[in-house]
Amino acid sequence: AQSVTQLDSQVPVFEEAPVELRCNYSSSVSVYLFWYVQYPNQGLQLLLKYLSGSTLVKSINGFEAEFNKSQTSFHLRKPSVHISDTAEYFCAVSPTGTASKLTFGTGTRLQVTL
Amino acid sequence: DAGVTQSPTHLIKTRGQHVTLRCSPISGHKSVSWYQQVLGQGPQFIFQYYEKEERGRGNFPDRFSARQFPNYSSELNVNALLLGDSALYLCASSLVSRDGYEQYFGPGTRLTVT
Repeated sequence: AQSVTQLDSQVPVFEEAPVELRCNYSSSVSVYLFWYVQYPNQGLQLLLKYLSGSTLVKSINGFEAEFNKSQTSFHLRKPSVHISDTAEYFCAVSPTGTASKLTFGTGTRLQVTL
Repeated sequence: DAGVTQSPTHLIKTRGQHVTLRCSPISGHKSVSWYQQVLGQGPQFIFQYYEKEERGRGNFPDRFSARQFPNYSSELNVNALLLGDSALYLCASSLVSRDGYEQYFGPGTRLTVT
């Protein structure tokens, strides 16, 4: 079984400031790691994923996350946030070989203000 | 291309009633998964279906059931509704291929049980 912990339920930040959303996981098997974003009244959108290879993965809109196996973490970072980044962010894991049985964290609300 | 579609968008039911939620995957996707997202929490895995067979089940009671049709669309059924079943029900489809390890989520069905 897997579990995901997102310690910060809310992260307020000013526009153009850097941000880090923390994610730690627990699993007895190898996992894939994902970050999803959910805008108000919408479904989930995949932001980025780690399957194998380079431990640093990047999205097209400036987010990046680094897989740290020893610390079982997959923190999400962005060097400069925009108002439009305001959303709920979910970290998720799945056993390797499938991404169809995701275990999600409880989410972190990123609130970007001027 | 059309994304994952779900119907209805919103639904209000009374305790003890039955509900059927529907999902159409992205064209070419043969795997469908269902998740329950209670307000303020991350989605929880309910079922996965692939090629019309159940491939995974989360920790949900037998009141929850699902099926997948030959065109890969899917239905989620919930019997004897409880107040605690009020949630956003998300459907996700995915390619089952080496590079297809990601799920595409629909907008969800908001179920309210009164």
